[in-house]
Amino acid sequence: DIQLTQSPSSLSASVGDRVTITCRASQTIKSHLHWYQQRSGTAPKLLIYAASSLQSGVPSRFSGSGSGTGFTLTINNLQPEDFATYYCQQTFSTPRTFGQGTKVEIK
Amino acid sequence: QVHLQESGPGLVKPSETLSLTCTVSGYSMSTYYWSWIRQPPGKGLEWIGNIYYSGSTDYNPSLKSRVTISVDTSKSQFSLRLNSVTATDTAVYFCARDRSTGWHDYWGQGTLVIVSS
Repeated sequence: DIQLTQSPSSLSASVGDRVTITCRASQTIKSHLHWYQQRSGTAPKLLIYAASSLQSGVPSRFSGSGSGTGFTLTINNLQPEDFATYYCQQTFSTPRTFGQGTKVEIK
Repeated sequence: QVHLQESGPGLVKPSETLSLTCTVSGYSMSTYYWSWIRQPPGKGLEWIGNIYYSGSTDYNPSLKSRVTISVDTSKSQFSLRLNSVTATDTAVYFCARDRSTGWHDYWGQGTLVIVSS
C-alpha cells in the first residue's frame, strides 16, 4: 500500500493567516493526489483534485501544488469556516489511501 | 445536483453481516464509479472499495475477503455487505461518487454503524 504522511498533524492559526499542510507519499503517485476538508460531524468535502485543480465552488484562497511524492495544500487568508481537519488521498494505485489528517484549530 | 443517502441498520451484532445501501438522486449512475469509505470514531478515513455502474468492482485488499459491493442502476442504488463483523468495524460509513482517476466529488452524509452485542 502507498502510505501518505501529512505534516503537521495539527496546527493552531489565526483568522487571516496563511496555512500550509504537506502530504508525502511513500512512492511516486504522479499527480493522483486530492485534498478534502472535513468539519466536525460532517462528510469530507473535495477541495483540490489532481494535485492542483480547484473543485468548482471552492474559494480561491485554497490551492494545491506538487507531484511525484511531495504535495502541499495552502490556505491563504484563513477564515473562521476553514477550521477543520484536512486529508490528502492518493488514487494512483489500489488500495486508495488517505493521510492521517491535519487538524487546523483556532489560536 | 447529485445527492447520496446511506441507509441501513445502525447496530449489528458481532460475527453478523453489515448491510448498507446508498441511494443516488439528481444524476444518472451511468459512466461513474461509486465508492464506500468508512471512518472509525475519532479516526481517519479508509477506502473500502468501489463499483462501476456496469458492475465491475475493486476492493481494499485488507477487507476483500469480507466485502461485497453491488449495484442496481434501475433503483439508482449501490450496496455494501461486510460479513463477520467485529467491534473494529464500528465506524461512520460514507458512500461517494468517483470522478475520472478516482477523487470523490459527492459524498453522502454518512451513517454510524456500531458493532455490539
